[in-house]
Amino acid sequence: QVQLVESGGGVVQPGRSLRLSCAASGFTFNTYGMHWVRQAPGKGLEWVAVIWYDGSNKYYVDSVKGRFTISRDNSKNTLYLQMNSLRAEDTAVYYCARDGMVGITPTLDYWGQGTLVTVSS
Amino acid sequence: SYELTQPPSVSVSPGQTARITCSGDALPKKYVYWYQQKSGQAPVLVIYEDSKRPSGIPERFSGSSSGTMATLTISGAQVEDEADYYCYSTDTSGRGVFGGGTKLTVL
Repeated sequence: QVQLVESGGGVVQPGRSLRLSCAASGFTFNTYGMHWVRQAPGKGLEWVAVIWYDGSNKYYVDSVKGRFTISRDNSKNTLYLQMNSLRAEDTAVYYCARDGMVGITPTLDYWGQGTLVTVSS
Repeated sequence: SYELTQPPSVSVSPGQTARITCSGDALPKKYVYWYQQKSGQAPVLVIYEDSKRPSGIPERFSGSSSGTMATLTISGAQVEDEADYYCYSTDTSGRGVFGGGTKLTVL
């Protein structure tokens, strides 16, 4: 069965960096695009970034462009999110999600349980 | 930047029909997906490509889209359907966007 397990969250000071990981299992990781989505406490879902199955294309929400980098290691079945210059407004639960073909177009079909990032001094 | 707009809340009694709308300028050209998120849990896909239902999702969930408005309909809402619902689509460059979310209360 498809499993996505995030790790790497924690408390970090403003301006510092953090790297999140998402370990994937139960499917052929190197044939799927992958997303990061975040949810601030008590707020709605915010799409953060996507990376194509082979890492050839990456897209970001404007608020993290230039600060966050999405990457993947297909040999380790792992997705990453490198977060630099963190701000208080980056505080959120971060979910990884698979870009699966439920129909004729891909969408986020499986999600991890999330990892909490708290940016605070 | 591209936006999807949802009402903050919808409230119905058990057995009634709940309708949650999602509006966006690109919806005539883009599919909409709907996610259900219960408290403390990860989101679950309930409708894909405007109107299709994934396996395992009850038949009372349906979707439609016309022009710049998409609608999630829950016919005969149950207490267990109480959750936050999000519409999702993509912009012209492939970036994702979620609506602000609608809190459905069934009581």
